[in-house]
Amino acid sequence: EAGVAQSPRYKIIEKRQSVAFWCNPISGHATLYWYQQILGQGPKLLIQFQNNGVVDDSQLPKDRFSAERLKGVDSTLKIQPAKLEDSAVYLCASSSNRGQQYFGPGTRLTVT
Amino acid sequence: AQSVTQLDSQVPVFEEAPVELRCNYSSSVSVYLFWYVQYPNQGLQLLLKYLSGSTLVESINGFEAEFNKSQTSFHLRKPSVHISDTAEYFCAVSRRTSSSGGYNKLIFGAGTRLAVHP
Repeated sequence: EAGVAQSPRYKIIEKRQSVAFWCNPISGHATLYWYQQILGQGPKLLIQFQNNGVVDDSQLPKDRFSAERLKGVDSTLKIQPAKLEDSAVYLCASSSNRGQQYFGPGTRLTVT
Repeated sequence: AQSVTQLDSQVPVFEEAPVELRCNYSSSVSVYLFWYVQYPNQGLQLLLKYLSGSTLVESINGFEAEFNKSQTSFHLRKPSVHISDTAEYFCAVSRRTSSSGGYNKLIFGAGTRLAVHP
């Protein structure tokens, strides 16, 4: 069974630029999560989808971050414009009906 | 709201020695408890979880954790570590859902870096 796929694995941008990350969850998983992991900290949930609806986006900085999940499968997370403090690893996870979460390898973002 | 405190940011240990990684949580409601492991340049992998029943849970690679409700702790232990156990370990909690089941979002601690030396 294929795991959670994420791309790109690494991205370096300058502040005020925009960036997008892509996630393909495990086939059949209805729930998809995006976490932000800042160096030295544990992952923090940014947004949770159930199929293509948002369940929780209370910690998503909505002035610069946006996310969508087209057709309840793939998801993209966008940052526009990026700030230095957005440097982090962005983890995508999926689960079946809010069961055990399976994590992708993450995208490491560096904002200079 | 829930929170997780991992009391040690780094734990150095020699190979074949025992190790304990400490985790305390705070919650006003019942929670599920988890330990995840993250190897370099890899995603998080579930190591073990406590949902209900026996307070002692074990993983397939020799780790165990004990849920202590009175002390609100979920410490991770291994009697003899290997070089390959070198990784970052995260403790996490999830608020129990209603009767419909399923997990809510995970709240993670800051992580403990386990460094096993020969």
